[in-house]
Amino acid sequence: DAKTTQPTSMDCAEGRAANLPCNHSTISGNEYVYWYRQIHSQGPQYIIHGLKNNETNEMASLIITEDRKSSTLILPHATLRDTAVYYCIVRSYYGGSQGNLIFGKGTKLSVKP
Amino acid sequence: DTEVTQTPKHLVMGMTNKKSLKCEQHMGHRAMYWYKQKAKKPPELMFVYSYEKLSINESVPSRFSPECPNSSLLNLHLHALQPEDSALYLCASSPFINFYNEQFFGPGTRLTVL
Repeated sequence: DAKTTQPTSMDCAEGRAANLPCNHSTISGNEYVYWYRQIHSQGPQYIIHGLKNNETNEMASLIITEDRKSSTLILPHATLRDTAVYYCIVRSYYGGSQGNLIFGKGTKLSVKP
Repeated sequence: DTEVTQTPKHLVMGMTNKKSLKCEQHMGHRAMYWYKQKAKKPPELMFVYSYEKLSINESVPSRFSPECPNSSLLNLHLHALQPEDSALYLCASSPFINFYNEQFFGPGTRLTVL
């Protein structure tokens, strides 16, 4: 079962920041937070991951709370092409089945003009 | 080349047919994955191959038969499927099995079983 809780859907105005929350209150010390997104009728796409420090790349920023029980994915300037389902996934950095990607229901982000 | 390709894009088959889905990557990845995604549901892991050997089988029915003939190619052989097996079948690859790796997904094969 997925170890994360996300809102079912969110709207964001084009050009504004999109902040997608994720709760993972049972996360353990050897687990990372990963974010993937899936644009309609395409395969999932990796966005970013982190352990406990905040992370930033060319796509997004990831803010993880100090107790690691929740995180927020930030798309700084959302565009219409960012409309997708966003999956927050908690995943062990050990190998084998502990490292499987277990997708939850995700958040459907709709970016509106 | 950072792409995972899947063929065919769409497939319609009857319950008595035998068909195969193909997945290919040329990134030198040694782990490859099959996922199944039903409409409006998240992807679910089916199989994981590591160094061309089946490493994880998530209790998938035997009518789905995976095969990894070499490090770049992954097949999913389908036989005697049911209409409820209609779904998007996604292939993914990563440098090594699961450990700390992002997975690169293909666009999927949309399968309809009549």
